[in-house]
Amino acid sequence: ELKVEQNPLFLSMQEEKNYTIYCNYSTTSDRLYWYRQDPGKSLESLFVLLSNGAVKQEGRLMASLDTKARLSTLHITAAVHDLSATYFCAVELNYGGATNKLIFGTGTLLAVQP
Amino acid sequence: NAGVTQTPKFQVLKTGQSMTLQCAQDMNHNSMYWYRQDPGMGLRLIYYSASEGTTDKGEVPNGYNVSRLNKREFSLRLESAAPSQTSVYFCASSEATPGLYSNQPQHFGDGTRLSIL
Repeated sequence: ELKVEQNPLFLSMQEEKNYTIYCNYSTTSDRLYWYRQDPGKSLESLFVLLSNGAVKQEGRLMASLDTKARLSTLHITAAVHDLSATYFCAVELNYGGATNKLIFGTGTLLAVQP
Repeated sequence: NAGVTQTPKFQVLKTGQSMTLQCAQDMNHNSMYWYRQDPGMGLRLIYYSASEGTTDKGEVPNGYNVSRLNKREFSLRLESAAPSQTSVYFCASSEATPGLYSNQPQHFGDGTRLSIL
């Protein structure tokens, strides 16, 4: 059974500081997705990581994937208040073939304080 | 530019009542998904449909049924609602083709907030 763990679950950051959210998963997969959710809203796709060593950057966010370590990171550089949201990683189930089913982590609630 | 549309947005039911949540996408996507979101548990896959005419169970299918009515529409039915099914339900769609890895993210609707008393 694929388990996806994120840590921390809650992160209170000061503006202009850097921090990293970690996403660990328990079985083989080489497809990982990051989403953002604002309170009471839908999920918005941030990054699609398709292979080992993949790195994607958008503004102050950078995501990477290490399939050997079964680890993805979401790095936040110089946080600003607009980044306050809940961030989810999601891993695609891979049992010898594509299933296109995603297993989500529990989410990291990010609160950026002035 | 609607994307994924879910109806209704809010609903309150009594235990034992039945209800169907509707989902439609206008992106010509092959695959559609139903998730529930509960506090502290992320999103959990209930059912998914890889293509028109096919459906498959996800992590938490008990108490639910689905219908892929056509390529656009994928409905979720609660036959006899229970308080444990109080949740926010999200529908999603993607370009994914059965048997091939998806290189595109899933696109989500705005959710249906369902309370069962």
